[in-house]
Amino acid sequence: EIVMTQSPATLSLSPGERATLSCRASQSVRSYLAWYQQKPGQAPRLLIYDASNRATGIPARFSGSGSGTDFTLTISSLEPEDFAVYYCQQRINWPLTFGGGTKVEIK
Amino acid sequence: EVQLLESGGGLVQPGGSLRLSCAASGFTFSSYAMSWVRQTPGKGLEWVSAISGSGGDPFYADSVKGRFTISRDNSKNTLYLQMSNLRAEDTAVYYCAKDIGVTSYYFDYWGQGTLVTVSS
Repeated sequence: EIVMTQSPATLSLSPGERATLSCRASQSVRSYLAWYQQKPGQAPRLLIYDASNRATGIPARFSGSGSGTDFTLTISSLEPEDFAVYYCQQRINWPLTFGGGTKVEIK
Repeated sequence: EVQLLESGGGLVQPGGSLRLSCAASGFTFSSYAMSWVRQTPGKGLEWVSAISGSGGDPFYADSVKGRFTISRDNSKNTLYLQMSNLRAEDTAVYYCAKDIGVTSYYFDYWGQGTLVTVSS
């Protein structure tokens, strides 16, 4: 099983600041990585797939990068609605696995 | 508009069984793989099972293999998860999720979730 490790666990930032979230895989997942956003009481929302492709309707302030084992989700300037938990997910191997999440909270 | 509506959750005793359903609309259901993903209250996401659009090629997490069965009825646009021999650690919100493509195994639409509680 590929273990996905996200860091930091919590990121405290102010609106307008840049957020940089990390996801590391225990073995190479090439570019087969997605990022999701989840707000309290809601289902996850796909942001990025194949490491760097924004999903339909996702604002340009969200960007993804990386390949192999190290990936980054960047939110260029935090909007109030961006404070949430973010998960990465690999799809190169069964079982599909998610990271433990990074909570982006208001500082 | 894509909609996924789960049902069938509830309280069940350890060792019991439950069948979850996910009614899909707004897209050509048979063209997309579907998955079940669960989330323990206050915790992260765990993929449970996936099935191709045709209903073949089911995949399972090791934690549920041999106890859960995924299936679909494309004539009814409905996805199912038959859960048996349930354990306390199966307690979670269960989401059905639509694949972004045929078999990409990324999830672009999710249901609202149905809560399964395994307790005596």
